[in-house]
Amino acid sequence: NAGVTQTPKFQVLKTGQSMTLQCAQDMNHEYMSWYRQDPGMGLRLIHYSVGAGITDQGEVPNGYNVSRSTTEDFPLRLLSAAPSQTSVYFCASSPDIGYGYTFGSGTRLTVV
Amino acid sequence: GQQLNQSPQSMFIQEGEDVSMNCTSSSIFNTWLWYKQDPGEGPVLLIALYKAGELTSNGRLTAQFGITRKDSFLNISASIPSDVGIYFCAGQKVEYGNKLVFGAGTILRVKS
Repeated sequence: NAGVTQTPKFQVLKTGQSMTLQCAQDMNHEYMSWYRQDPGMGLRLIHYSVGAGITDQGEVPNGYNVSRSTTEDFPLRLLSAAPSQTSVYFCASSPDIGYGYTFGSGTRLTVV
Repeated sequence: GQQLNQSPQSMFIQEGEDVSMNCTSSSIFNTWLWYKQDPGEGPVLLIALYKAGELTSNGRLTAQFGITRKDSFLNISASIPSDVGIYFCAGQKVEYGNKLVFGAGTILRVKS
């Protein structure tokens, strides 16, 4: 099993550009989440999904969109990149409530 | 905003020493989780706690779910160089579904 796979690992964007961060899991987990990690702030939830077709906003959703068309994939779209979105982004999946999440290795995004 | 207060923010200890860190909240959580993040990687689940008062060990790591359900503690015995990293507490509430709330993390540096 590959677990949670995130691509790309590194990305540099210009302000105003859009892009999609990819996330795929092969564990048949229903729950998936996107977090951003900034120094001294831990991990903050951006968007969340409880299954295919169902998404919900997290703590910091502004500027990001998600969709969940399949159980396996949960892409994160940046609509118009801003320097404040410079961060490390993690995708994670969980089989059920209380089981904790398995994290991908992250995407380091720089917006200039 | 951040609901979990994690302390200390960083620690610099001698190899072989025991380490303690904790996480507190003003509200009750149903599940407490402890994660470790190595440089350039995603967080990895160390220990999950499900009941107030529960004490759980994983090798040299021991974690406790506080009696009030508002705090949790992680202890590392006889630290070694590979313990270096960032340790995060995370909590889950029934009313939040399977969303995780993270503390800001404790940076552990070991002097060999």
